[in-house]
Amino acid sequence: NAGVTQTPKFRVLKTGQSMTLLCAQDMNHEYMYWYRQDPGMGLRLIHYSVGEGTTAKGEVPDGYNVSRLKKQNFLLGLESAAPSQTSVYFCASSYIGVGTDTQYFGPGTRLTVL
Amino acid sequence: RKEVEQDPGPFNVPEGATVAFNCTYSNSASQSFFWYRQDCRKEPKLLMSVYSSGNEDGRFTAQLNRASQYISLLIRDSKLSDSATYLCVVKRDSNYQLIWGAGTKLIIKP
Repeated sequence: NAGVTQTPKFRVLKTGQSMTLLCAQDMNHEYMYWYRQDPGMGLRLIHYSVGEGTTAKGEVPDGYNVSRLKKQNFLLGLESAAPSQTSVYFCASSYIGVGTDTQYFGPGTRLTVL
Repeated sequence: RKEVEQDPGPFNVPEGATVAFNCTYSNSASQSFFWYRQDCRKEPKLLMSVYSSGNEDGRFTAQLNRASQYISLLIRDSKLSDSATYLCVVKRDSNYQLIWGAGTKLIIKP
């Protein structure tokens, strides 16, 4: 099993450009999440999904959109990138159920917006 | 004030020593607590959940103090491989969100 994979691993964008980050998991997890991690701050939830075809806003959703057309994939889009979106982006997934709070993370995408 | 606060460190500790660090949380309704470990430029990974009665996993012991709203992590007989950032995580059971502390950096020296 590959677990959670993310593409690309690195990307440099110019202000105003758009891009899509892809997250894929092969663990048949229902829940998937997108976080950003900035220096000196904890991971902050951007959007999450509790199942195929459903998405919800997290703590910092502005400037991002997501889609979950297939259970195994969760896409994060930046329509018009801004320097404030320079960050490390992590995707995670988890099971449903009592006592199954463990989130499994992908290796991250390092995004720089110039 | 951040909902989950940690001393950022770094804690510089000699190999073989015992080290402990705390994490405080502000939401008294928080129900679930965790420690994750994050190596440099890597993804976070679950280290252990924290139960009300406290729990131990080998050299690691986690404690929860609901009255004072903090959780702690104790590492005994520290190894070089324990060098990492330790993330305190709290879950509000009213939704699916985890609230993450900024992490405590631990450096074990030979």
